[in-house]
Order: sequence, then C-alpha cells, then structure tokens
Amino acid sequence: NAGVTQTPKFQVLKTGQSMTLQCAQDMNHNSMYWYRQDPGMGLRLIYYSASEGTTDKGEVPNGYNVSRLNKREFSLRLESAAPSQTSVYFCASSGRRVGEKLFFGSGTQLSVL
Amino acid sequence: QKEVEQNSGPLSVPEGAIASLNCTYSDRGSQSFFWYRQYSGKSPELIMSIYSNGDKEDGRFTAQLNKASQYVSLLIRDSQPSDSATYLCAAPLMTTDSWGKLQFGAGTQVVVTP
Repeated sequence: NAGVTQTPKFQVLKTGQSMTLQCAQDMNHNSMYWYRQDPGMGLRLIYYSASEGTTDKGEVPNGYNVSRLNKREFSLRLESAAPSQTSVYFCASSGRRVGEKLFFGSGTQLSVL
Repeated sequence: QKEVEQNSGPLSVPEGAIASLNCTYSDRGSQSFFWYRQYSGKSPELIMSIYSNGDKEDGRFTAQLNKASQYVSLLIRDSQPSDSATYLCAAPLMTTDSWGKLQFGAGTQVVVTP
C-alpha cells in the first residue's frame, strides 16, 4: 500500500521560479491537506480540500495555489518562489470526519535561493 | 497567537524514566485531541487520540485530557532511546472560518539519554 505519495523529495529553486508539488493518495480519502513545517513553528496549514472540487485557505496561503485534480490528487503550486518559502512541505489525507487521523506523505525539502 | 501551545524543549529524560509532555489549547469547542510523533527527517505519525476527560492508556503511552483547564498531556513511561523524537499536539479548530481544520502545536523535542 502506497498511502500518500508526494514528489519531489528535494528541490532547489531560484527566487522567482515556479514549481508544482504533486500529491496522490490511494486510500479513497475525501480530505487532503498541504502543510509546511519550519523550525520552531510546527506544522502550519497552507491549503485544505474537503472533497473533490473544493479547496479552502489555511493559516498561511499567500504565495501558493492548489488544485484538487480528482479525489486522489492534490497539487501545490508556487508561482514565484521566494526565500521565505524555504521549508519542508507535507501532503496529508484523511477521512471525512472532523479531526480524523491524518496520513502524511514523506515530505518535500524545498530550498529557495 | 497559536491556538495550540507546547513547550519546545528539548526535554531530556533518562532511559527508563517517565517523560511528561504538556499542551494547552484555546478553542473551547475542540472535542478531540491528538498526539503525533515525528522522528528527525520523517513525517508525523499518530500515536494517541483522546476525546473524553480523563486518562487513556495505550502501551507505554498515556494521554490525559482536562477540558475545563484546556490542557492535554502525554506521558511516556519507561522511556527508551527509540522514543527520542518530536511530539506534536493537535486539535481541530471549531471556529466558523476554520471548522474541523487540524491545528498543530510547535512540538516538544524529547531526548532520551542512556
């Protein structure tokens, strides 16, 4: 069972470049999330999708866009990367109930120079 | 101000001792609480969930919830070097704008020393 798969694992960008982080889950979950994790800040929610076709802003959405392509896939796009977006990004999925267990991908280490 | 607060640590614990981690939350509407463990360089994994006041035990882990005082704690008994990790407290927000979204504390780093 693959669970939550996110790519790439590592990425280095120059300021102003764009990229898309891909995430797919095979657990038939309705909800999918993108978090970023910075030292001393814990996990902060960037965007959230409760179901296919819906997306919602989280705590730190500025500078990001998302697409819920279908029930399995949820992508995160940085249109013009900034050094402040250097972070570890995690995709996660869960069932429909509030607070249900999150299953995380393995993370993407992104550096913006 | 974060809705979920934890001491960042590190919390140094001798092997075999009890590690005690605390977490406070501000949203009185929160009904469920979670502890995730994260090893360095890895993704978080759920180790405990608690929904009712009181204690919940699972192996060497005990979660304690006090809704009146708005805190939740995690005890790790007989601490082992393999327990060295960062422990993240999480609770779903119940505000109008953020219904159901899980918010994490900053995490407490635990270091178990032989």
